[in-house]
Amino acid sequence: NAGVTQTPKFRVLKTGQSMTLLCAQDMNHEYMYWYRQDPGMGLRLIHYSVGEGTTAKGEVPDGYNVSRLKKQNFLLGLESAAPSQTSVYFCASDRTGGGSPLHFGNGTRLTVT
Amino acid sequence: EDQVTQSPEALRLQEGESSSLNCSYTVSGLRGLFWYRQDPGKGPEFLFTLYSAGEEKEKERLKATLTKKESFLHITAPKPEDSATYLCAVRLNFGNEKLTFGTGTRLTIIP
Repeated sequence: NAGVTQTPKFRVLKTGQSMTLLCAQDMNHEYMYWYRQDPGMGLRLIHYSVGEGTTAKGEVPDGYNVSRLKKQNFLLGLESAAPSQTSVYFCASDRTGGGSPLHFGNGTRLTVT
Repeated sequence: EDQVTQSPEALRLQEGESSSLNCSYTVSGLRGLFWYRQDPGKGPEFLFTLYSAGEEKEKERLKATLTKKESFLHITAPKPEDSATYLCAVRLNFGNEKLTFGTGTRLTIIP
């Protein structure tokens, strides 16, 4: 049982380049989330989804887009990367969104130069 | 503004030396407080959920408690494998998808 899988694990981008981070979960969870983690700051919610075909903005959505075409997958896109988007990105999922614990992937470390 | 503050930022203990980590919050309408463990290069791993003041949860050497303004994660006779960063997070109310995370306490257990 893989849980939540993120690809890639590492990526280096130049300013202005675009990329997509992939997240897949095999637990049949309805809710999926994208967080970023920066030194000295708590995990911050970028976007989330409450089910297939839905997306919503979180705390820090600017510069990112997401899609949830299939229940098991949640994609995070950066259209024009900026150095401020250098971070570790975590995908998470949970069953109900109403208090069930989050299951996290192992993160993608992104550096934008 | 809703805030979650964890202290200390870092803690070094000798193996077997018990201590506590603190998570204080200034939110209204708390509907759940979560503790996670995060190892270097990994995603956070769920430990406990606490819902009401007075509630306690235990798992091996860890015990989490909750009051109206803070939560403690007590570590009894820790071992080196307990070394990790411990995160707490609060959820404001059912249906609100935003978890507010603290910045974590980095715990090191010295053999």
